[in-house]
Amino acid sequence: AQSVTQLDSHVSVSEGTPVLLRCNYSSSYSPSLFWYVQHPNKGLQLLLKYTSAATLVKGINGFEAEFKKSETSFHLTKPSAHMSDAAEYFCVVSGGRGSTLGRLYFGRGTQLTVWP
Amino acid sequence: NAGVTQTPKFRVLKTGQSMTLLCAQDMNHEYMYWYRQDPGMGLRLIHYSVGEGTTAKGEVPDGYNVSRLKKQNFLLGLESAAPSQTSVYFCASSYSREPLVNEQFFGPGTRLTVL
Repeated sequence: AQSVTQLDSHVSVSEGTPVLLRCNYSSSYSPSLFWYVQHPNKGLQLLLKYTSAATLVKGINGFEAEFKKSETSFHLTKPSAHMSDAAEYFCVVSGGRGSTLGRLYFGRGTQLTVWP
Repeated sequence: NAGVTQTPKFRVLKTGQSMTLLCAQDMNHEYMYWYRQDPGMGLRLIHYSVGEGTTAKGEVPDGYNVSRLKKQNFLLGLESAAPSQTSVYFCASSYSREPLVNEQFFGPGTRLTVL
């Protein structure tokens, strides 16, 4: 079965400092993994995706994530936070073949606050 | 291309009323999905469809019905709304073939309040 655990429900950083949002996954298959961002009262925007190519994935707005199979982790990082990064972030794992093909399993979200 | 659109954007219902949420996509996607988002819960799948005329239950299907009469449209119905259905509803769509099936495109959401 597929599932995602986001280890922090809230993360606060100062502008200009690094961001780390942690995600662990569980999957019966070789998964695809995603990070989505949701700004207040907005829809979901895809930040980046891992689909079994390079384990270090670069996304939009300076974010990147590293797929570590041995640790079943897919943590999201950014070297220097910007005020505009304040939002909710979701880690997502794909379903596998068969009946779960096309299904996405969302973590509960991490709210990122950026202080000036 | 408009992508995925949802109608309406906001709605307030009284307990027991019914309504239909409409999702439309212009990307010729085979798969379509309805999710609900509640604080601290992420997005949870209500129902989905793998093609015109087909629907299937997701994680939280109770109290909802869906129909996919046309490939581009996916309707979510609430027959008798309850306060527990107060939520933000998102529609999404994707292609059917791997790996594109996992890349879902989301609509802007519908905020529903049931009093």
